[in-house]
Amino acid sequence: NAGVTQTPKFQVLKTGQSMTLQCAQDMNHEYMSWYRQDPGMGLRLIHYSVGAGITDQGEVPNGYNVSRSTTEDFPLRLLSAAPSQTSVYFCASRALNPYEQYFGPGTRLTVT
Amino acid sequence: QQQVKQSPQSLIVQKGGISIINCAYENTAFDYFPWYQQFPGKGPALLIAIRPDVSEKKEGRFTISFNKSAKQFSLHIMDSQPGDSATYFCAASTAQAAGNKLTFGGGTRVLVKP
Repeated sequence: NAGVTQTPKFQVLKTGQSMTLQCAQDMNHEYMSWYRQDPGMGLRLIHYSVGAGITDQGEVPNGYNVSRSTTEDFPLRLLSAAPSQTSVYFCASRALNPYEQYFGPGTRLTVT
Repeated sequence: QQQVKQSPQSLIVQKGGISIINCAYENTAFDYFPWYQQFPGKGPALLIAIRPDVSEKKEGRFTISFNKSAKQFSLHIMDSQPGDSATYFCAASTAQAAGNKLTFGGGTRVLVKP
């Protein structure tokens, strides 16, 4: 039981490049989400999904796209990377009840 | 707009001392208040959580105190140990929100000196 896995662990992009951050969970959780963590800002919700085929925007969705074709996977796409997207990205999952969220180990992204 | 405000940003405590972290919220619809612990290079992990129908919850050396009228809650770490050195986040959620989204405070970096 691996929990929540994320790849890659580190990534450097140039402005304008695109990439996909991968997230997978093996707990059969309905709810998955993406957060970004910046110093002093805590974790801010980017996008979330309450089940396969259902996604919605969080607090800071601009510049990011998501899709949820299976229960297990929830990739985050950056279409045209900007320096403001330099951050640590965490994927999380939880069952609809109880509320406990399980976080992945994170992806540290630098955009130059 | 930060709906959950956390203080202090950092604190240093001697081994055996008490660490206290405070959070204040604005949305009276919040009904679930978890605390997460994060070690460097790792994702946050749930430490302890409380619902507003109780004023205090204790798990080992960790205690949450909740003041519904003041819209505040706090984490107390008793007998702090060097292994408690980490960043702590408070958060809040409401069952009424779509997807039960968590709103996080800004985090507190705790350093326990031996």
